[in-house]
Amino acid sequence: QSALTQPASVSGSPGQSITISCTGTSSDVGGYNYVSWYQQHPGKVPKLMIYEVSNRPSGVSNRFSGSKSGNTASLTISGLQAEDEADYYCTSYTSSTTRVFGGGTKVTVL
Amino acid sequence: QVQLQESGPGLVKPSQTLSLTCTVSGGSISSTNDYWTWIRQHPGKGLEWIGYIYHSGSTYYNPSLKSRVTISRDTSKNQFSLKLSSVTAADTAVYYCVREIDTGTFDPWGQGTLVTVSS
Repeated sequence: QSALTQPASVSGSPGQSITISCTGTSSDVGGYNYVSWYQQHPGKVPKLMIYEVSNRPSGVSNRFSGSKSGNTASLTISGLQAEDEADYYCTSYTSSTTRVFGGGTKVTVL
Repeated sequence: QVQLQESGPGLVKPSQTLSLTCTVSGGSISSTNDYWTWIRQHPGKGLEWIGYIYHSGSTYYNPSLKSRVTISRDTSKNQFSLKLSSVTAADTAVYYCVREIDTGTFDPWGQGTLVTVSS
């Protein structure tokens, strides 16, 4: 199974909106609404930010939103804040009954 | 609230078997429709899904690791375990045990444990 494709890095200024893409195939991202997103600060445990494409767990800021179009899922962070600087990973269920992660995106707040 | 904690040796010699245990508290690994999962992260790299054991006891593994991986459970201790055989330096990573609730939703995560493969 191939990893999902994410940009290595995305940056933005405080207050701006940024979008991280996560591209797969019809056998994973495009075939199921089982895409989730995780935030990981350096040395910390990954934290669930979005599940099932666009659902936000309790306690996660509404500045984080998810969507999907075809084989590409996206995570948008609006009103970018310094605390949003972290690595972000997407993951998807696959037709092989496995799960696959994206390579990760480093978000930098300028 | 479910909590997970990994335990096991932090140093394993090449060609030996890596063995880790995850102790679950706040919930039963055999009574909920959850997938009890292992995920690893190589130093400075991304996340890699290793596999899971379902509440029924069935297992599923990453095809790239399948020949070397075994995930098992001890319901009496509410623990599940990972064994990875014939390890090399490429298996050096932080290993996380995680609950997968609903398909593809990983939450919560254990704190992670660094396993180094070195002689």
